Amino acid sequence: AQSVSQHNHHVILSEAASLELGCNYSYGGTVNLFWYVQYPGQHLQLLLKYFSGDPLVKGIKGFEAEFIKSKFSFNLRKPSVQWSDTAEYFCAGRFGNEKLTFGTGTRLTIIP
Amino acid sequence: EADIYQTPRYLVIGTGKKITLECSQTMGHDKMYWYQQDPGMELHLIHYSYGVNSTEKGDLSSESTVSRIRTEHFPLTLESARPSHTSQYLCASSEGPQYFGPGTRLLVL
Repeated sequence: AQSVSQHNHHVILSEAASLELGCNYSYGGTVNLFWYVQYPGQHLQLLLKYFSGDPLVKGIKGFEAEFIKSKFSFNLRKPSVQWSDTAEYFCAGRFGNEKLTFGTGTRLTIIP
Repeated sequence: EADIYQTPRYLVIGTGKKITLECSQTMGHDKMYWYQQDPGMELHLIHYSYGVNSTEKGDLSSESTVSRIRTEHFPLTLESARPSHTSQYLCASSEGPQYFGPGTRLLVL
């Protein structure tokens, strides 16, 4: 069955540190991949998406993610985090149908 | 910013009551979804619809029901609420990426 895995449950970083959140999926066919962010008290927002083409996709607020098909990965990166990046981050995949499968989420805490 | 709305935002209700969580979107999307999310946990799909008069159960079994009489409206109903239904319920719609509403936090006493 298709699945999305986020192995980092809680990440704590200082401001200006670089960020990489892991996301792996299991599916052998064509995938669409997404990163969503949920700031405290707010609703889920789309950060970025990959459908096809350039495997390096850029999203809002300086985030980017790289689709590596050979590793079944879609890791989220940001070169220098800010306190305002404190949030819950969800990786999600769409595997041959219209439904999204979500990972368990990674809580990111940025220390000023 | 996606135009998808959910009401109420917060609901505290007693066991056995019937409740309806409202979800509406003004984008004309055919596809709509309901997810259940416990605090700090992943989202689980409980219902989805690909258009008017189309509803399907999702990956997580739920005692709730949904209807899709109009494109813009996708309400979720619990006939008899129980404490185990306490959770956050998120509605989404899509024509491509999914856009989420603000959610309804339900507490059943």
